[in-house]
This record gives sequence, C-alpha cells and structure tokens, in this order.
Amino acid sequence: AQSVTQLGSHVSVSEGALVLLRCNYSSSVPPYLFWYVQYPNQGLQLLLKYTSAATLVKGINGFEAEFKKSETSFHLTKPSAHMSDAAEYFCAVSRGTYKYIFGTGTRLKVLA
Amino acid sequence: SAVISQKPSRDICQRGTSLTIQCQVDSQVTMMFWYRQQPGQSLTLIATANQGSEATYESGFVIDKFPISRPNLTFSTLTVSNMSPEDSSIYLCSVDQEGGETQYFGPGTRLLVL
Repeated sequence: AQSVTQLGSHVSVSEGALVLLRCNYSSSVPPYLFWYVQYPNQGLQLLLKYTSAATLVKGINGFEAEFKKSETSFHLTKPSAHMSDAAEYFCAVSRGTYKYIFGTGTRLKVLA
Repeated sequence: SAVISQKPSRDICQRGTSLTIQCQVDSQVTMMFWYRQQPGQSLTLIATANQGSEATYESGFVIDKFPISRPNLTFSTLTVSNMSPEDSSIYLCSVDQEGGETQYFGPGTRLLVL
C-alpha cells in the first residue's frame, strides 16, 4: 500500500531563508510524486512532479525537489523564501494510476 | 494545463438539504475526480467520474450520499445530499491530463452546513 508522510504540519522561515518541506513515501512500485500548493481560499496548484525521469525536479516559483530512492524521500526546497510563498503544501504519490494519496500538508509561514 | 472552474465557489446550507456542485473544464478529458478536504485535513478522493459510465466510489463514500453525473467530456456535477454539519468541507474536482501522470485541480467549493 502506498502512503505519504509529511514531517511538520507547520514550518516557519524568515524571508530570504531556505525553505525545506519534508515528504517521505512508501510504495511497492516506482512511484510518481507530486508537490501541490494551496493558497488561502484557492484550489491546488501543481508545483512540480517526478515521473521517473531526472531525480532533481525543478518546478514553478523557484521550487525544486529531489527524488531519493534510498531514503524514500521527495523533499521540497527553495533557496530563498518570499512572503508570497506562505501557503499550504501537499505531497502526493501515485503509481502512475489515477489514484493519488495525499500527505496531511505542511503550512508554511514566512516571517518578515 | 486545463482551465477548470467550479460553481458555486462557496455556499452556506441548512442541514437536510442538498447542494449540487458543478465542474467545467475548457478541454475534453476522459477522467474527472471529486475530492473532499475537511477543515484542517488533507484531500480524500470521493469518486472517479468517467463519461458514459457510472462513477466509481472510494471506500466510505456512497452514491446515495454523493451522486455524480458526467454527461459529457467537459462537465461533471457532484451532489451532496441530505447534508449535515459534518459535510462542511471544501469539495474539489480535478482532471487527469498527460496520460494519467498528472491531475489538475479546480478552485474548490467551500461548503458550510448549519
């Protein structure tokens, strides 16, 4: 069975600091992995995805994530946080089928 | 990516009533999905809606409570029936593109049941 664990339901960083949001997955087959962002009162927007191509995936808004099979991780990073990055971030896994399993989300707060 | 709209964007309803949520896509898609996001929670898949066939419901969700229509390749509706305060959630539709690799989401419908 697949599952996704996001460590830290709330993360606070200072503006300009590194953003690191953690995601670990379990999957019996090579997974597809996704990061979505949800801004207040909006739907989910795809940030980036891993589908067995390059292990370092670059997404929108300066975010990137690295697929590490040995660690079963897909952590999201951004070198310098901006106030506009404040949102909730969801990691999701699928097996290339239509069924996604979402993590519980991490709310990012950016401090001025 | 597809442009997805939902109506209504939010609503406040009385218990015992029903609400139908519409999802419109600007391009033809084979599969559409309905999710529920309860307050402070993650997303849970309610059902998968294929055009021309009955929706497939996930464990814990039944057709009598969440009837779904999929009359064509660009439109779907989800009805939340006989509502109770526990149905207060965000309901999101999504569509599959890129051959099953990626889902794109609508803006959501925020429902409050009193």
